[in-house]
Amino acid sequence: GAGVSQSPSNKVTEKGKDVELRCDPISGHTALYWYRQSLGQGLEFLIYFQGNSAPDKSGLPSDRFSAERTGGSVSTLTIQRTQQEDSAVYLCASSLRIGGAGTPGTQYFGPGTRLTVL
Amino acid sequence: QKEVEQNSGPLSVPEGAIASLNCTYSDRVSQSFFWYRQYSGKSPELIMSIYSNGDKEDGRFTAQLNKASQYVSLLIRDSQPSDSATYLCAVKLPGSARQLTFGSGTQLTVLP
Repeated sequence: GAGVSQSPSNKVTEKGKDVELRCDPISGHTALYWYRQSLGQGLEFLIYFQGNSAPDKSGLPSDRFSAERTGGSVSTLTIQRTQQEDSAVYLCASSLRIGGAGTPGTQYFGPGTRLTVL
Repeated sequence: QKEVEQNSGPLSVPEGAIASLNCTYSDRVSQSFFWYRQYSGKSPELIMSIYSNGDKEDGRFTAQLNKASQYVSLLIRDSQPSDSATYLCAVKLPGSARQLTFGSGTQLTVLP
């Protein structure tokens, strides 16, 4: 079966432009996560979707960032009026909400989108 | 204090040695712990999960959890150059709807 897919793999944009990043999770996974990883840094949580529940947006760094998940599947992360500090790899992950013995489901990561803001 | 802390490294070990990676977490009631491996330019992949105090072994990898001391470690026996990567510790913090909080990672280099 297919894993998590993301597109585009690379995106170069000019400061001030809007960008959209897409994530297609593993079929049947109800949880979807967006993370940001700057060069040499760890994963910075951005947003979490679980089924039809209201998303956890607590990690979004500013109101220029938004995300939606249509039909409980594909998600789009939108960054408006991009800034140079937005340059990073944006990673999407999906999981079953609950794993074995009530543990959180394993998160499977997509290949990421490398965003460069000039 | 960060919720999940790791030494950033880099950690260098010779081929065949044991590599020891450590992670501490802030909340004593955390319950689930994960180690991810991330090769340069690639996305993270899960290599170990551990939920109970003690050791859990999987091949050359052993995860060790000590909830009283709030640390979790990963031992890699017979280290190989192919183990060179960044290792990310992730913790399920209580009350966290988003489930996992990641450390910043430890960069490991295994020297041939």
